[in-house]
Amino acid sequence: AQSVAQPEDQVNVAEGNPLTVKCTYSVSGNPYLFWYVQYPNRGLQFLLKYITGDNLVKGSYGFEAEFNKSQTSFHLKKPSALVSDSALYFCAVRYNFNKFYFGSGTKLNVKP
Amino acid sequence: SQTIHQWPATLVQPVGSPLSLECTVEGTSNPNLYWYRQAAGRGLQLLFYSVGIGQISSEVPQNLSASRPQDRQFILSSKKLLLSDSGFYLCAWTIERQGMSSYNEQFFGPGTRLTVL
Repeated sequence: AQSVAQPEDQVNVAEGNPLTVKCTYSVSGNPYLFWYVQYPNRGLQFLLKYITGDNLVKGSYGFEAEFNKSQTSFHLKKPSALVSDSALYFCAVRYNFNKFYFGSGTKLNVKP
Repeated sequence: SQTIHQWPATLVQPVGSPLSLECTVEGTSNPNLYWYRQAAGRGLQLLFYSVGIGQISSEVPQNLSASRPQDRQFILSSKKLLLSDSGFYLCAWTIERQGMSSYNEQFFGPGTRLTVL
């Protein structure tokens, strides 16, 4: 079965510090992995994806993610957090061509 | 450019009443369409997806149904709402190319918050 896990319910970081939001995956075959962000009472916004190629993927708003096949991880990172980055972040995997499985979400709190 | 609309934005309905939520996509053709429910501001549960007009796949047996009467219209319905149907309903789409493997991301609508009392 295809799945992703986000082990942290919440991540707290000070503004200006680097941030990491963790995601591990379990898939059969090649993984197609995605990160989304959700602000309160809004739909999800796409940040970045890994399909193949370079393990470091760059996305929107200065975010990047590192794909690690041996550790089956796809952690989201940003070198310097902003207060406006505070939101709910979802990792997702695409499987069976048409379906997406989303993690449980990680709430990011960036404090000034 | 492509846009996705959902309405209504919020809805309060009594238990046992019917439901109809609508999602429409502009600026693309033959998209894959999806309905998700998000409970308590957390994980997304895939409810239905559609690869074409009249083609609906149900992921979870439940009190809801979906229809796709037109290429860019996706409707979520219920004949009788339950308290457990409360949640944030999200519509999403991807664009796929005929005969080609595609790993495109989903684009989400603004959502409908449903409260069943």
